[in-house]
Amino acid sequence: EAQVTQNPRYLITVTGKKLTVTCSQNMNHEYMSWYRQDPGLGLRQIYYSMNVEVTDKGDVPEGYKVSRKEKRNFPLILESPSPNQTSLYFCASSLFPAEPGDEQFFGPGTRLTVL
Amino acid sequence: AQTVTQSQPEMSVQEAETVTLSCTYDTSESDYYLFWYKQPPSRQMILVIRQEAYKQQNATENRFSVNFQKAAKSFSLKISDSQLGDAAMYFCAYRSADSTGNQFYFGTGTSLTVIP
Repeated sequence: EAQVTQNPRYLITVTGKKLTVTCSQNMNHEYMSWYRQDPGLGLRQIYYSMNVEVTDKGDVPEGYKVSRKEKRNFPLILESPSPNQTSLYFCASSLFPAEPGDEQFFGPGTRLTVL
Repeated sequence: AQTVTQSQPEMSVQEAETVTLSCTYDTSESDYYLFWYKQPPSRQMILVIRQEAYKQQNATENRFSVNFQKAAKSFSLKISDSQLGDAAMYFCAYRSADSTGNQFYFGTGTSLTVIP
């Protein structure tokens, strides 16, 4: 089954404790991206990657890191989480550079709470 | 950066009736793609419909259709014969069509309630 998986689905942590949210896709997609969703703000892009070893900042990259060492994986790293990073996080993937109108496939989301 | 505006935080519709969700965007580009995504309570993001800016014909997918007004930079979603399963948050999104179009821009969402 074609899918994007994220782990963990739920995470409660404390300020300053490094964490990683994993993202993996099995569709051989070049393009992968991370978003955060907050009430009243919609989805905002954190980072995206057009292929292995190629990553770029989105609109809200502060406090986050990513890496793309393999095509299928795109982990999101919070080196020192803070309460303002409490949010719902989505990973997504799509073909690239194919047609930009190609659909993005989203993971199930990770609910992160930073105390 | 492009901006996408959804001015209706909440909407409601009677089952079997028609509802229209609004979306406007700001861009200086001539070619781009627009999307409507649905997010039900399960939180899964589901593509509802997409529109290519260079195509004048409005996209349709079964009960879902769009009214794309390029000059007005408007991209509304019409849901006909509303069903209980249509209740969800709906997001409008934009992506450039040129080689640098690597970012997606989403609106703030419209929460749709379907009344039985």
